[in-house]
Amino acid sequence: GESVGLHLPTLSVQEGDNSIINCAYSNSASDYFIWYKQESGKGPQFIIDIRSNMDKRQGQRVTVLLNKTVKHLSLQIAATQPGDSAVYFCAENAGNMLTFGGGTRLMVKP
Amino acid sequence: DAGVTQSPTHLIKTRGQQVTLRCSPKSGHDTVSWYQQALGQGPQFIFQYYEEEERQRGNFPDRFSGHQFPNYSSELNVNALLLGDSALYLCASSLGGGRSSGNTIYFGEGSWLTVV
Repeated sequence: GESVGLHLPTLSVQEGDNSIINCAYSNSASDYFIWYKQESGKGPQFIIDIRSNMDKRQGQRVTVLLNKTVKHLSLQIAATQPGDSAVYFCAENAGNMLTFGGGTRLMVKP
Repeated sequence: DAGVTQSPTHLIKTRGQQVTLRCSPKSGHDTVSWYQQALGQGPQFIFQYYEEEERQRGNFPDRFSGHQFPNYSSELNVNALLLGDSALYLCASSLGGGRSSGNTIYFGEGSWLTVV
């Protein structure tokens, strides 16, 4: 069936560097995507979203890029901080129902 | 403004027992969805409640059932618990039922269920 997946299960970056987390999706009809951050023992926290009529959207220290041609999403985190350490999920929203990938664990080294 | 609240936070049950988990959506939201998240996995959609009815359902057996109350709060019930039901159960709050894909969906902190 259709799914949303991630390329890298673990990403380790130096504090202060930029982080890039990637995600591929397979449903070409998908039109709304969300990135969530999940810290250990907590529920997913909304980070940023993007609709299919956009290629890029920026938030505070985060940027999401959408490439519809190759069905690829990325989350860029600028100046990564220890507090950014968590598992990051991309998800497709269809009818308020989310389809998640398996997640990427971001580890920030001091 | 209260966010999504869930109870209990942790519980332990024995195989074959039944469990009820509770959720209050974010203020102003009318749609509640439930997700199951096994350790090391992404959340999996169980079902969605809107206007006190189940509107969408994922690939979960009938042992999983739910309810939505007039105040939009919701319960998730799981009967005949199996060891494999051990997971984090997440409640998600949104607006507009299944008619809209454009609303931000917020999650609670979850209920950790351990089946022994």
